Amino acid sequence: EAGVAQSPRYKIIEKRQSVAFWCNPISGHATLYWYQQILGQGPKLLIQFQNNGVVDDSQLPKDRFSAERLKGVDSTLKIQPAKLEDSAVYLCASSLGPASTDTQYFGPGTRLTVL
Amino acid sequence: QQQVKQSPQSLIVQKGGIPIINCAYENTAFDYFPWYQQFPGKGPALLIAIRPDVSEKKEGRFTISFNKSAKQFSLHIMDSQPGDSATYFCAAGRNDYKLSFGAGTTVTVRA
Repeated sequence: EAGVAQSPRYKIIEKRQSVAFWCNPISGHATLYWYQQILGQGPKLLIQFQNNGVVDDSQLPKDRFSAERLKGVDSTLKIQPAKLEDSAVYLCASSLGPASTDTQYFGPGTRLTVL
Repeated sequence: QQQVKQSPQSLIVQKGGIPIINCAYENTAFDYFPWYQQFPGKGPALLIAIRPDVSEKKEGRFTISFNKSAKQFSLHIMDSQPGDSATYFCAAGRNDYKLSFGAGTTVTVRA
């Protein structure tokens, strides 16, 4: 069974530039998550989708971050404009259902460096 | 607001030793406590999880101990091996609420 795919794996940009990350979840998983993992910290949920609807985006900085999940499968996360403090690993995860007890399967992440 | 506090930040043990990682939570509504293992360059992977109706759960060499009254839980790695060297995250959640992760513990097992 294929895991969660993410691209790119690494990205380096200048501050104020824009960047986009892509995620393809495990086939059949209705729930998709985007997490931000800053070095030395645990993952922080940015947004949770159930199919193509948003369940929780309370910690998404909406002035600069946006995400979409068209057709309830793939998802993209965009940052525009990027700030230095956005340097982090962005993890995508998917699960069969939206409960926290549903096992989340994580992708390898995209490491973003903002200079 | 950090809902799950994890310690230590890092630890080093010899092969065969028993690293112990501790976590504490505040929200008494949490009813699901998973541990995730993360290797460098990889995403976290679920290792083992416990519900508050049991005080201990074992899966292979990994054991979770849970103390509901103290709002604490811990991970023990029995007979640790160099391949167990990784970062471990505790987390807490409930059915209708997102998982809150601890800050992580980097475990190094020396051969």
